[in-house]
Amino acid sequence: NAGVTQTPKFQVLKTGQSMTLQCAQDMNHNSMYWYRQDPGMGLRLIYYSASEGTTDKGEVPNGYNVSRLNKREFSLRLESAAPSQTSVYFCASSELGGGDYNEQFFGPGTRLTVL
Amino acid sequence: RKEVEQDPGPFNVPEGATVAFNCTYSNSASQSFFWYRQDCRKEPKLLMSVYSSGNEDGRFTAQLNRASQYISLLIRDSKLSDSATYLCVVNDDYKLSFGAGTTVTVRA
Repeated sequence: NAGVTQTPKFQVLKTGQSMTLQCAQDMNHNSMYWYRQDPGMGLRLIYYSASEGTTDKGEVPNGYNVSRLNKREFSLRLESAAPSQTSVYFCASSELGGGDYNEQFFGPGTRLTVL
Repeated sequence: RKEVEQDPGPFNVPEGATVAFNCTYSNSASQSFFWYRQDCRKEPKLLMSVYSSGNEDGRFTAQLNRASQYISLLIRDSKLSDSATYLCVVNDDYKLSFGAGTTVTVRA
């Protein structure tokens, strides 16, 4: 039982390049989330998927797109990377979404640098 | 104004000491509250939920004051392994709002 896995662990991009961050969970959770974490700031929600087939914007969605490929997988795409997107990206999952809280389980993170 | 604000610290304490810190939240309608722990360059993990009546989990005690909109965490008999960043987390409907974290360093 691996929990939440993310690939890659590290990535360096040049401005304007695109890339997709992959996330998968094996806990049969319904909800999945993408956050970014910057120094001195809390985790900020980029996008979330309350259930398979649905996605919604979070606090900082600009410059990103997501795909909930199936119940297990939730990917984050940067179409044209910018230096402001240099950050640590965390994927998380929880059993339920919406108004009910369930503990969120996080992946190990992807450290992205955009030059 | 940030939704969740925390004193960033760091709090440097000797082993065996007690350390306590707070966070404040802006949304009076927030429904539930948590403390997460994050070790250096690692992912956040749930430490404990915070209940209205206050709750303990071993050496950790969490308190909620809805009137003043703050949450506290107290760590008794600090261990070296308690060195981490503690994230205050507030649940607002569909999403969690995270504070920037309070760093605690326990020294031998």
